[in-house]
Amino acid sequence: NAGVTQTPKFRVLKTGQSMTLLCAQDMNHEYMYWYRQDPGMGLRLIHYSVGEGTTAKGEVPDGYNVSRLKKQNFLLGLESAAPSQTSVYFCASSYSSGSLYGYTFGSGTRLTVV
Amino acid sequence: GQSLEQPSEVTAVEGAIVQINCTYQTSGFYGLSWYQQHDGGAPTFLSYNALDGLEETGRFSSFLSRSDSYGYLLLQELQMKDSASYFCAQGAGSYQLTFGKGTKLSVIP
Repeated sequence: NAGVTQTPKFRVLKTGQSMTLLCAQDMNHEYMYWYRQDPGMGLRLIHYSVGEGTTAKGEVPDGYNVSRLKKQNFLLGLESAAPSQTSVYFCASSYSSGSLYGYTFGSGTRLTVV
Repeated sequence: GQSLEQPSEVTAVEGAIVQINCTYQTSGFYGLSWYQQHDGGAPTFLSYNALDGLEETGRFSSFLSRSDSYGYLLLQELQMKDSASYFCAQGAGSYQLTFGKGTKLSVIP
């Protein structure tokens, strides 16, 4: 059972560089999310998707873009990385729009921007 | 936006019972969830309360009082492996969860 798989697990970027974080789920979930986690800040929603071909902004979307071309994949892009984007990024998916069954999270991507 | 309040740290003795409280804002409330996260790990889903009352899952129970905008997670028969961070999360609209900042639980012998 793979669940939610994130790649890469670690990355160091220089300021101004771009990169894409990949999230893949094999549970046929409709809903997918990208969160960032910073010390003392909890998890904050960046973008989310309620189905293939759809995306929407969350609480902290600035500096990020996303795409959901296939149901199983949700990509998070940083066009021009900044030190403020140093964080741990978690992707999650869920079966339903409500919270009843919970979110399944990936193992995270630890990103450092220098 | 939504905000949830929970204690930042709690320490409890192995074998004891500990309660982690969470207060939330009432606007757009879709239920209260709890997640566990070990250091360096991913959050994992523990429980969900949409209605008032207690939900029990093994050693863990979660309670909700909608009239008080309050909930708690109760951990019984604490084990060392329960040392982790615990997050309450509020349904913020149909498709989103807003998380509290987390409570770091330390279980000591």
